[in-house]
Amino acid sequence: SQTIHQWPATLVQPVGSPLSLECTVEGTSNPNLYWYRQAAGRGLQLLFYSVGIGQISSEVPQNLSASRPQDRQFILSSKKLLLSDSGFYLCAFQTGRNTEAFFGQGTRLTVV
Amino acid sequence: GQQVMQIPQYQHVQEGEDFTTYCNSSTTLSNIQWYKQRPGGHPVFLIQLVKSGEVKKQKRLTFQFGEAKKNSSLHITATQTTDVGTYFCAAGTGGGNKLTFGTGTQLKVEL
Repeated sequence: SQTIHQWPATLVQPVGSPLSLECTVEGTSNPNLYWYRQAAGRGLQLLFYSVGIGQISSEVPQNLSASRPQDRQFILSSKKLLLSDSGFYLCAFQTGRNTEAFFGQGTRLTVV
Repeated sequence: GQQVMQIPQYQHVQEGEDFTTYCNSSTTLSNIQWYKQRPGGHPVFLIQLVKSGEVKKQKRLTFQFGEAKKNSSLHITATQTTDVGTYFCAAGTGGGNKLTFGTGTQLKVEL
């Protein structure tokens, strides 16, 4: 069966520190992968999406970056975190176009 | 660019009352999906609509896709406390058909 793993569940980081959030998918090949960010009580902001290894599309200019080193691995990074980077980060995948999206459990990031 | 708007942003109802959230797109959609996110949780897929004018039901939930495929609605009959959460519509947009979510409607149900 298809599963998605995202970690860590919670993270508290100081301003200016680096960030690395990892997401892995099992049970499918060549998934579409997504990173979303959700501020408290708000909607889902699409940050990055990828349709294949090394193919990353950025939706919002910011100090975050994403990489897809393997087919089913998606990493969200930052060299220096800002207070405004706090939020709930969600990784998701689709098995193809116009299919349902499956979400990871999310990472609640607090930058202090 | 493509925008998918939802109204209302918030809705408080008494248990047993009905609830409706509306999703509107600036362009014609090939399909639309609906998700539910419980407080503190992650979005979970509910349904996908593909055909113009399509109506689908899941128990007390009724989903509708507009004739012009630019809008959709989710209606809950006789809300229960288990319906609490945020409801999102989502659609594939752009050349890469990336999944873009609506702004969401947060539903609170009071006893």
